[in-house]
Amino acid sequence: DAKTTQPPSMDCAEGRAANLPCNHSTISGNEYVYWYRQIHSQGPQYIIHGLKNNETNEMASLIITEDRKSSTLILPHATLRDTAVYYCIVRARDDKIIFGKGTRLHILP
Amino acid sequence: GAVVSQHPSWVICKSGTSVKIECRSLDFQATTMFWYRQFPKQSLMLMATSNEGSKATYEQGVEKDKFLINHASLTLSTLTVTSAHPEDSSFYICSARKNWGFEAFFGQGTRLTVV
Repeated sequence: DAKTTQPPSMDCAEGRAANLPCNHSTISGNEYVYWYRQIHSQGPQYIIHGLKNNETNEMASLIITEDRKSSTLILPHATLRDTAVYYCIVRARDDKIIFGKGTRLHILP
Repeated sequence: GAVVSQHPSWVICKSGTSVKIECRSLDFQATTMFWYRQFPKQSLMLMATSNEGSKATYEQGVEKDKFLINHASLTLSTLTVTSAHPEDSSFYICSARKNWGFEAFFGQGTRLTVV
């Protein structure tokens, strides 16, 4: 079973920051937080991952709370191409990837 | 970024026939590959973990004799759906993890339709 809880859907206006929350209250000390997204009829795309520090790359930022029980993925300037299902996954480095239901993000023009 | 390629992208086959789907890591070696199945409006469901040179590990409820997995090299894993039936119609996706990396990279998926 997935170890995370995400809202089923969210809307965000184009050009605004999209903030996607994820709860993972049972995360273990050796487990990382990963984010993937899946655009319709394509394979999932890796976005970012982190252990306990906040992380940023060219796609997004990942904010992890100090107790590591929740995190937020931030897309700083959402575009229509960011419309997708976003999956938050916690796993240890060599574990298999188990997908939950994710958040369906709609970017509104 | 690393590239994982699946072939074919889509396939239509007759009920009772077998279909082979290939998954290749194009620019890296992958000791471990994963196979998923996704039905419309549902999440990805892990079917099996494929390890190079050894037998695949199947998730509970997945028939190993129906979904044959071969991982003969560090860059190729294949999934064969044997004696396909209409209920096997689905989107099949593979994933490969770099031997020394964190991320897993996914193929573009194969849409199987059994008629």
